[in-house]
Amino acid sequence: AQSVTQLDSQVPVFEEAPVELRCNYSSSVSVYLFWYVQYPNQGLQLLLKYLSGSTLVKGINGFEAEFNKSQTSFHLRKPSVHISDTAEYFCAVSGDEGTGKLIFGQGTTLQVKP
Amino acid sequence: DAGVTQSPTHLIKTRGQQVTLRCSPKSGHDTVSWYQQALGQGPQFIFQYYEEEERQRGNFPDRFSGHQFPNYSSELNVNALLLGDSALYLCASSLQGAHYGYTFGSGTRLTVV
Repeated sequence: AQSVTQLDSQVPVFEEAPVELRCNYSSSVSVYLFWYVQYPNQGLQLLLKYLSGSTLVKGINGFEAEFNKSQTSFHLRKPSVHISDTAEYFCAVSGDEGTGKLIFGQGTTLQVKP
Repeated sequence: DAGVTQSPTHLIKTRGQQVTLRCSPKSGHDTVSWYQQALGQGPQFIFQYYEEEERQRGNFPDRFSGHQFPNYSSELNVNALLLGDSALYLCASSLQGAHYGYTFGSGTRLTVV
């Protein structure tokens, strides 16, 4: 069975500092990996996704993630965060099942302080 | 171009009642998936509809049922509501064959009292 573990429930960081949100997954099949962001009282917005190819994936708003198959990780990074990046971030995995259901982690709250 | 539209945005129901939530997919999308997001948790997959049929189902009881209409819109029905059904219900639409191009709606916040 597939599962996702987000290693930090909360990550406080000062504005303009770099940040890394950690995500590990388990799967016995090929995986597709995603990061979503959720602002208060809103739905999910896709930041980036890994389907195949280059292991370094660039997304919106300056975020990027690196797929590491040997460590089964897909950590999200941003070199310099802004106050507006304060939100809940979800890592998700989906196997090659055809119907494409997503399995989400518990989420990481990114708190950017001035 | 309208994205995914969900209605209502908020809903309060009493235990034992039934509720229907609605979703209109993004223009051009033909597949609708429903997720339940409890407070402080990640979304959990309920089921997915394509061509008016349930294609895959998550670990949810039969009290949760759905429907997809010819115009691709969808409904999520929950019978015999429990306090534990209180959550944000998210609808995501996509196009079959377009790999994981999901668009999520803003959700319906259901409170069961």
